[in-house]
Amino acid sequence: DGGITQSPKYLFRKEGQNVTLSCEQNLNHDAMYWYRQDPGQGLRLIYYSQIVNDFQKGDIAEGYSVSREKKESFPLTVTSAQKNPTAFYLCASTQRGDTQYFGPGTRLTVL
Amino acid sequence: DAKTTQPPSMDCAEGRAANLPCNHSTISGNEYVYWYRQIHSQGPQYIIHGLKNNETNEMASLIITEDRKSSTLILPHATLRDTAVYYCIFPYSSGSARQLTFGSGTQLTVLP
Repeated sequence: DGGITQSPKYLFRKEGQNVTLSCEQNLNHDAMYWYRQDPGQGLRLIYYSQIVNDFQKGDIAEGYSVSREKKESFPLTVTSAQKNPTAFYLCASTQRGDTQYFGPGTRLTVL
Repeated sequence: DAKTTQPPSMDCAEGRAANLPCNHSTISGNEYVYWYRQIHSQGPQYIIHGLKNNETNEMASLIITEDRKSSTLILPHATLRDTAVYYCIFPYSSGSARQLTFGSGTQLTVLP
């Protein structure tokens, strides 16, 4: 089946640690996105990539980093500089147009 | 960017049609309306989109008024698994990205 996978489903981090969230897609989509969702809130764009080896900051990029070395993969690193990282993280992809397809999400909790 | 208004919650009996309204009176002529839903603790799921003609797919139907100021998502035979928050969305450009803004949406509860 084609789709987007995210791992892990749940992630716990100690303060001061960096953690990396995985996002993989086999839809052959060019563009990929990372969003953050807080309880009862909408989605906020962290980073996006429209093509391999290129990515752009979204609205809330501070404290996060990404890479796009392969078309299928767009990992997100939450660094210790992110002051309030506890949230639900969503990865999405699109080929063309505005229809974004989302992964199942990773719930990150800082202990 | 079009602003959307949706009722905060709706109930629907299992097996009946669920009609979810969205007002978007500030829509411009070339903006598509998209519908997504999000089941608790899962990623949003694309449902359907349209410009001005009514659309239907295997999940739902989308009815857009002639003046395009409102639309209705119809789930023809709601099941318990359709319980979710439903979002009416207009993608917009921010920098070189096309973004989706998920507002508060409508919490649809399908009752047995």
